[in-house]
Amino acid sequence: DSGVTQTPKHLITATGQRVTLRCSPRSGDLSVYWYQQSLDQGLQFLIQYYNGEERAKGNILERFSAQQFPDLHSELNLSSLELGDSALYFCASSVGVGTDTQYFGPGTRLTVL
Amino acid sequence: AQSVTQPDIHITVSEGASLELRCNYSYGATPYLFWYVQSPGQGLQLLLKYFSGDTLVQGIKGFEAEFKRSQSSFNLRKPSVHWSDAAEYFCAVVNWGSNFGNEKLTFGTGTRLTIIP
Repeated sequence: DSGVTQTPKHLITATGQRVTLRCSPRSGDLSVYWYQQSLDQGLQFLIQYYNGEERAKGNILERFSAQQFPDLHSELNLSSLELGDSALYFCASSVGVGTDTQYFGPGTRLTVL
Repeated sequence: AQSVTQPDIHITVSEGASLELRCNYSYGATPYLFWYVQSPGQGLQLLLKYFSGDTLVQGIKGFEAEFKRSQSSFNLRKPSVHWSDAAEYFCAVVNWGSNFGNEKLTFGTGTRLTIIP
């Protein structure tokens, strides 16, 4: 158990819908990262927050957004869902930035029908 | 941009045999290298990491990896595999330092390890 929690574990929804994925980092960790794992794209970095502020962006679609709240939990919002958004979404956290090890949550499996 | 190549998509090894999983990274000023393992239906667990110092690093579950700058490689090894090692293994790099503020992990495509009795 990494100490990173993600809810829900599974999510099934329809195209065009909007969903919110939630992540609670390890106690004391200030950085949160979101990654997407799909069969065709592999593991890809989406976005990073540090202490409530956006720090880095990767291949995140405009339909996707995220935020980190004062209690340091983070939410990833996916809207206007398409079939291709079906994937495993991982959250990771680290103490700070730089070379701090990232610890991964169990992931949320999103299925868009 | 940094990149990671795992040339072997799938490897099958007999239980008790030795294992080596290959990982090559693209040139970076200061590559920080990681190996993660993903069991079916699970998240990613850190096996080991290399930042600096001794180029042979020890990890959990009996794994080790050797950083070879001349070959741009960071291969993962285990002297004797167990059936529970069957999983997907990912090599990753953070090219921190050349682009401060960008600590994202860049992952390889993964190597699926199958263990046969």
